[in-house]
Amino acid sequence: GAGVSQSPSNKVTEKGKDVELRCDPISGHTALYWYRQSLGQGLEFLIYFQGNSAPDKSGLPSDRFSAERTGGSVSTLTIQRTQQEDSAVYLCASSPGVWVETQYFGPGTRLLVL
Amino acid sequence: DAKTTQPNSMESNEEEPVHLPCNHSTISGTDYIHWYRQLPSQGPEYVIHGLTSNVNNRMASLAIAEDRKSSTLILHRATLRDAAVYYCIPFTGTASKLTFGTGTRLQVTL
Repeated sequence: GAGVSQSPSNKVTEKGKDVELRCDPISGHTALYWYRQSLGQGLEFLIYFQGNSAPDKSGLPSDRFSAERTGGSVSTLTIQRTQQEDSAVYLCASSPGVWVETQYFGPGTRLLVL
Repeated sequence: DAKTTQPNSMESNEEEPVHLPCNHSTISGTDYIHWYRQLPSQGPEYVIHGLTSNVNNRMASLAIAEDRKSSTLILHRATLRDAAVYYCIPFTGTASKLTFGTGTRLQVTL
């Protein structure tokens, strides 16, 4: 079946602009995660959605970052007033939402802020 | 989150076995040990997980120490496609973020 998809695959923007990154999880997965990976760095958790529960936003680095998940499926990560330090690969993952689950990752969106 | 320690890098010849160690001495009793890997320019992919008993699947084997303070991922015959960064992650099941450490970069040569 189809895996996690993300769009765009690459995004170049100017400092100060807003960007939206999209994630389509695997159909039927109730949990959805966003991570980011800066050049040469490890993966950093950003935010997590599980069903209708309030999202876990504990990893968002600043209030310029927000995310929503509409209809329990597609998610959008928005970065307002982008800064050069926001340049990274943004990865989305989904999981079935049951015990000891595997997270399935998308290919990521590579964001470059000039 | 339990702290993990992995070698920064390892090398292997193709078609030889590879043993990737991980120390997780502060692991809690409910944490499963998950392994993910990240191939170049791709998102991470699940490899294997276990709790106490050794585990096998089509990709690899996982050997867990009796005290659960360490584990070893075993690739029985490394191929060039196995070149990746391997992450060992203690993980308490549902609804939780994965905390990735620095992982082990595996190089496989002919």
